[in-house]
Amino acid sequence: QSVLTQPPSASGTPGQRVTISCSGSSSNIGSNTVNWYQHLPGTAPKLLIYSNNQRHSGVPDRFSGSKSGTSASLAISGLQSEDEADYYCAAWDDSLNGYVFGTGTEVSV
Amino acid sequence: QVQLQQWGAGLLKPSETLSLTCVVSGGPFNNSYWSWIRQPPGKGLEWIGEINHSGSTNYSPSLKSRVIISIDTSKNQFSLKLTSVTAADTAVYYCARVKRFAIDYWGQGTLVTVSS
Repeated sequence: QSVLTQPPSASGTPGQRVTISCSGSSSNIGSNTVNWYQHLPGTAPKLLIYSNNQRHSGVPDRFSGSKSGTSASLAISGLQSEDEADYYCAAWDDSLNGYVFGTGTEVSV
Repeated sequence: QVQLQQWGAGLLKPSETLSLTCVVSGGPFNNSYWSWIRQPPGKGLEWIGEINHSGSTNYSPSLKSRVIISIDTSKNQFSLKLTSVTAADTAVYYCARVKRFAIDYWGQGTLVTVSS
């Protein structure tokens, strides 16, 4: 079971802004950096955001991340059809001594 | 460009041992952690564990009793063994590189099905 909670779905029309939340605890998000991944069916996940708000190489600046306390969020501005995918937050958990993923959010455009 | 190529048996019977190997090319092998992640059908991503070049490992508490991750630095390879598999272990398994707690490169994925 995931220890990071995300909404199961989010949607928007082309050009809109969508925000995905990720709620954790003091042992994971509260004390470690958050990463965000995009996962298209049938392909390997891709790193979008690392260290809370740093875009991975080649990621459009439409994607941005932020963190506050024990929560984090991913924003997609100027939504495009190609952004339809599952999105996962993740962080190291000091109590579990392991990496934990969020429950995942399916974004539809 | 770092590339990870993985292989292993795709169909297992209950109680057998899952075995996957991942070879890394195009980048340094000795300054990262190397990880295994899986995704059961219709479910989210699950971290299995990781290893570094020294052989230091971290495992998911829920799988720790059945998992062994090993490394062969001479071949730039690392491997996953999961013992006593059941249908609940059916998943797409990915190998990946961990850099500064972020998984930045992934293998292509291997579907492993456990069925009698």
